[in-house]
Amino acid sequence: ETGVTQTPRHLVMGMTNKKSLKCEQHLGHNAMYWYKQSAKKPLELMFVYSLEERVENNSVPSRFSPECPNSSHLFLHLHTLQPEDSALYLCASSQTGGPIYHEQYFGPGTRLTVT
Amino acid sequence: GIQVEQSPPDLILQEGANSTLRCNFSDSVNNLQWFHQNPWGQLINLFYIPSGTKQNGRLSATTVATERYSLLYISSSQTTDSGVYFCAVSQYSGNTGKLIFGQGTTLQVKP
Repeated sequence: ETGVTQTPRHLVMGMTNKKSLKCEQHLGHNAMYWYKQSAKKPLELMFVYSLEERVENNSVPSRFSPECPNSSHLFLHLHTLQPEDSALYLCASSQTGGPIYHEQYFGPGTRLTVT
Repeated sequence: GIQVEQSPPDLILQEGANSTLRCNFSDSVNNLQWFHQNPWGQLINLFYIPSGTKQNGRLSATTVATERYSLLYISSSQTTDSGVYFCAVSQYSGNTGKLIFGQGTTLQVKP
């Protein structure tokens, strides 16, 4: 595997279900991100992990729970979602640290439908 | 917060035509990326261009950070260029490179 991978690619879940999205990066990066892309809206940052610590939580509802067990893996745990949470969820990674910004690379996304 | 505006929102071209996409941003940024999102949702990195000009095949980009805009040029367009083009900027904050995305330009290239 190369780059950033995400599983599953498609997910349909009911509002009472619990599911998890997985992201893995094979680039040796130390920062990982979750973004949400809803129809007709720009991509929105949800969470940032740098060196396995959550450094940003962009006012995301608690029904979304991220987990970063190591610098290569990132999860997004989902429970009691609403139909408006249906969207494309994208994971990204980058190098971080120091005074400069590093390019972010994205995975293929998980298309989530909440019924 | 910083605003990112892309124009035009939609663009239809005949194969072989050239085009220019624009990205304006409302505040100083540390960096800027251009992406192409294919029909399956994958964001493909085109350019990492905080300033200056870069070229990659038929695509090139120019960022004038002091005037807060960036341009993406597509020459001799092909049907495979269709999709959504996003500009995203970053205001470096500590250890995070939080990207702020524009609304995108949807490009359709007709054969």
